[in-house]
Amino acid sequence: GESVGLHLPTLSVQEGDNSIINCAYSNSASDYFIWYKQESGKGPQFIIDIRSNMDKRQGQRVTVLLNKTVKHLSLQIAATQPGDSAVYFCAENIVVDSSYKLIFGSGTRLLVRP
Amino acid sequence: EAGVTQFPSHSVIEKGQTVTLRCDPISGHDNLYWYRRVMGKEIKFLLHFVKESKQDESGMPNNRFLAERTGGTYSTLKVQPAELEDSGVYFCASSQDFYSGNTEAFFGQGTRLTVV
Repeated sequence: GESVGLHLPTLSVQEGDNSIINCAYSNSASDYFIWYKQESGKGPQFIIDIRSNMDKRQGQRVTVLLNKTVKHLSLQIAATQPGDSAVYFCAENIVVDSSYKLIFGSGTRLLVRP
Repeated sequence: EAGVTQFPSHSVIEKGQTVTLRCDPISGHDNLYWYRRVMGKEIKFLLHFVKESKQDESGMPNNRFLAERTGGTYSTLKVQPAELEDSGVYFCASSQDFYSGNTEAFFGQGTRLTVV
């Protein structure tokens, strides 16, 4: 079946270091992927997205890499800050009969050590 | 501009009782989604409204769950009767119309449901 999963449930990094969060997906027909950040008591917040015709996309301090060959997605956060501490979800946006829905991974908790 | 809002933020009910969750999407968004995260697992799709119509309800777990979106504005999700396994965080999200090409979904803060 369709599924999107994460390799590591918890990632602890030193403030100022770079963080890499990984995700595997199973639906090879998917063409749109999104990373969300969820802070305690809040809903998922859009960080960055990428379409399947791209291998890399950069935002402010964040980069998403897509490897379609092995169906792998990663989120890189440069110079990680305490405010980056949260749970990060990758999601796959699928379309069926004009209906969009997101298939989420299980999430990775990022802890930033001062 | 107000974001997606959900009420209540937290609900504790006894097994067998009824609970109704409410979601107010961003004004003008035709698409409204319900998701839930149970037992720290992944966030799972429940259903999708386009305006007042149910476009996809393939994720609804069973007939104890009823979602409505009368008039195509706010939506309610009722659980009747609630069971212990229904505990979790219920998220609502909304996005613009399909044909605008803007499919970014904006999430509410969620309703934490605890069934005891």
